[in-house]
Amino acid sequence: DAGVTQSPTHLIKTRGQQVTLRCSPKSGHDTVSWYQQALGQGPQFIFQYYEEEERQRGNFPDRFSGHQFPNYSSELNVNALLLGDSALYLCASSLGLASFHEQYFGPGTRLTVT
Amino acid sequence: ELKVEQNPLFLSMQEGKNYTIYCNYSTTSDRLYWYRQDPGKSLESLFVLLSNGAVKQEGRLMASLDTKARLSTLHITAAVHDLSATYFCAVDDRGGNKLVFGAGTILRVKS
Repeated sequence: DAGVTQSPTHLIKTRGQQVTLRCSPKSGHDTVSWYQQALGQGPQFIFQYYEEEERQRGNFPDRFSGHQFPNYSSELNVNALLLGDSALYLCASSLGLASFHEQYFGPGTRLTVT
Repeated sequence: ELKVEQNPLFLSMQEGKNYTIYCNYSTTSDRLYWYRQDPGKSLESLFVLLSNGAVKQEGRLMASLDTKARLSTLHITAAVHDLSATYFCAVDDRGGNKLVFGAGTILRVKS
């Protein structure tokens, strides 16, 4: 039973560029959430997707956008990259929106913006 | 807005000693998590606490939840070097699986 997978593992981009990160949820899960973890800090919630729609959003600018596909996988897109976007991006999946189903985290994508 | 505070932020322990990490949160929640993170790695789920008075133990770690005080503790018993990591508590914000994390506690166990 595959857990949550993310790609790529590492990524280096230049300021102003755009990036797409990908996440495949754990088998049987239909909800995907994205978190940003800057160095030395706790993860911060970016947004959550369920039934191909954004259901909740944290305090992130519109440069951060996402998508969920019919197979429940998800993408996180960041436009006009800033140095401050350098972070570990974590994807978490769960079954449905209710909190009684635990989230499972993927291995993360390390994004470095130079 | 839900706020989660952990203390201490850094903890240097001797092997064999006991210590407690505290997690306070500002609004009512029905679910609290503890995670472990090793350098450069993702989050490893340690405990899920669902109700007032919940206590869970795994090896040298024990977590408890007091929802009335909005406080959770992670107690470390007879620390060993392998427990060195960063520990996060996270609280579910309004039951939608939107987690709000504390800043983390960096634990270093010295032999």
